[in-house]
Order: sequence, then C-alpha cells, then structure tokens
Amino acid sequence: DTGVSQDPRHKITKRGQNVTFRCDPISEHNRLYWYRQTLGQGPEFLTYFQNEAQLEKSRLLSDRFSAERPKGSFSTLEIQRTEQGDSAMYLCASSFDPAKNIQYFGAGTRLSVL
Amino acid sequence: QKEVEQNSGPLSVPEGAIASLNCTYSDRGSQSFFWYRQYSGKSPELIMFIYSNGDKEDGRFTAQLNKASQYVSLLIRDSQPSDSATYLCAVNHQGGKLIFGQGTELSVKP
Repeated sequence: DTGVSQDPRHKITKRGQNVTFRCDPISEHNRLYWYRQTLGQGPEFLTYFQNEAQLEKSRLLSDRFSAERPKGSFSTLEIQRTEQGDSAMYLCASSFDPAKNIQYFGAGTRLSVL
Repeated sequence: QKEVEQNSGPLSVPEGAIASLNCTYSDRGSQSFFWYRQYSGKSPELIMFIYSNGDKEDGRFTAQLNKASQYVSLLIRDSQPSDSATYLCAVNHQGGKLIFGQGTELSVKP
C-alpha cells in the first residue's frame, strides 16, 4: 500500500491522558498536513510541514498539541492532557507539488476522550 | 462569513439524474480548488481539482470554476446510489493549507 498511512485507526482514552498519533506520507511527498474533523463539519487545518520544517500552525493548535516531523518522513501529533472536546477524527494528508498542492488523505485516527 | 460555503443538504436526486453541488469562497487570491468525496466514517477521497476558469471533465464528473463570481461547482452525471456521500469543497490560497466547506450530503435514490 503506497497511500498515506495513519496509526492507530482508533484511540479511546480517558480525559487528562496524553495520546500520540503517527502519519506516514506517500513516499517522496515532501509536504505533510494535519487536519481535525468533527461530525458534520469539514476538516479543519491544524499544521503542516515541508520536509522537517513546520511551516504553519493554526490557532486551533493550542499549547497542548505538538507535531513533529523529525527526519522529513513520518510525522507525529501529540495531544497532552486530553479533553472531551478533543474527540474528533484526526486526518493526515500529503502532497508533492506545492504549486498544485493536490493533497491525499490517510484513513484517519478517530479519537474518543471519555 | 465563512471562507468556504456549501449548502449542507441533504441533496436528493433520483438515480440517473444530474446532481449539482455548489460552493462559494471568500478569498479572491485563492488559486486551486478541489472536490473530495467522503463516505460516512471514512476519510476524504479526492475526485476533482481545477485551477482555471471554465469546465473540467473527468468521466461522469465535471468541475466548473468562475473566479470572478468566486464560485466552484461539481456536476455528477448519471448519478448512481454509490455516489451517495458527503462532497467537500476545498480551496487553497498560497500552496499550503486547504480550507474546507462543511460539505454537502448527497443522496441518490434508486
């Protein structure tokens, strides 16, 4: 499978716990994006990387959220001290050509905070 | 005003009909436009992209862009029950993030 890969697919956690999600982009895609989607809404941008550089972060990305892409390949998104409002689908996408910016999405990680 | 607006629907069409999905955007500097299909519980799947004014056709799908009116649409010809999904319009400004509308739910009735 050469698509965007996300792990885990589902995560159930208790409020206050830390969680970490992983995304492996399509091979040779130098841009990697994180979005969050809640029921009935379109995906909302969180942050993106070009290679290992984090180029933009949304104001939605509070100080409890951190993302890394240390070697310009896979990326991790960590949420500290989870809250019930963090329950959502976390989507990762990757793209190759910044001019066209065609983004392909992974299957997502569904987070439930109890 | 939302940056990207779509009618949430649901839009219901009979099998074999043309489904017309519409999207407006607020940022005149937007440069590229995308339509994604999302089945319930699944992630968005890219179905069309368009950069220039006019029409772009791919099989049963036609994307239409009018930058002067800040309007982009998706036509689905010969609609099938398998086309029933939420269709997301997304707009890109300067090569980075996509801004999505809330999506239009399409239901194709046999």
